[in-house]
Amino acid sequence: DQQVKQNSPSLSVQEGRISILNCDYTNSMFDYFLWYKKYPAEGPTFLISISSIKDKNEDGRFTVFLNKSAKHLSLHIVPSQPGDSAVYFCAASEGGSEKLVFGKGTKLTVNP
Amino acid sequence: DSGVTQTPKHLITATGQRVTLRCSPRSGDLSVYWYQQSLDQGLQFLIQYYNGEERAKGNILERFSAQQFPDLHSELNLSSLELGDSALYFCASSVTGTGNTIYFGEGSWLTVV
Repeated sequence: DQQVKQNSPSLSVQEGRISILNCDYTNSMFDYFLWYKKYPAEGPTFLISISSIKDKNEDGRFTVFLNKSAKHLSLHIVPSQPGDSAVYFCAASEGGSEKLVFGKGTKLTVNP
Repeated sequence: DSGVTQTPKHLITATGQRVTLRCSPRSGDLSVYWYQQSLDQGLQFLIQYYNGEERAKGNILERFSAQQFPDLHSELNLSSLELGDSALYFCASSVTGTGNTIYFGEGSWLTVV
């Protein structure tokens, strides 16, 4: 049973436009959510996180939105740049644990 | 560069064999995690150590074992290897083991033939 789902395996957007990556979860005990970015031949790198007490967190071009009632979060990248092309993983944890549960990832391609 | 070092980067071995993957955490990090990424799966949590002690266990097979040494480096031992064990194995580390972002190494590619 997959507790964190990223239903879009891939997404393609034009440079300068908004990229929206979606993530759904089933475990209502999750209280901390993260996005990781992964380039080929590299390990995942932390991008942005959000606690369940917030519904939005912003860091530069990256904003994460959390809708607890829908058990849904999204990552917005504005404006998208070709260097943002990577696989994006959504992850969740509960109770301060660092045992992260990951989605399968969404491959983002930003076209020049 | 995350500061987490994994060796080897690539490994090809035969079914039934045993391999050891090594991880050196970031300087100052006490907690080490192992994750497995298969072709059709996301990152699957295997096991976590904190300052030498096992802290959490995930979907780790009985054929797999891990340990964290006094110098805080960790090893993941995979035995009686099967074709399905072919995957990318990531090590990650963090300072305390709770409530902090974890930092991943570049991974060890294991191919079982």
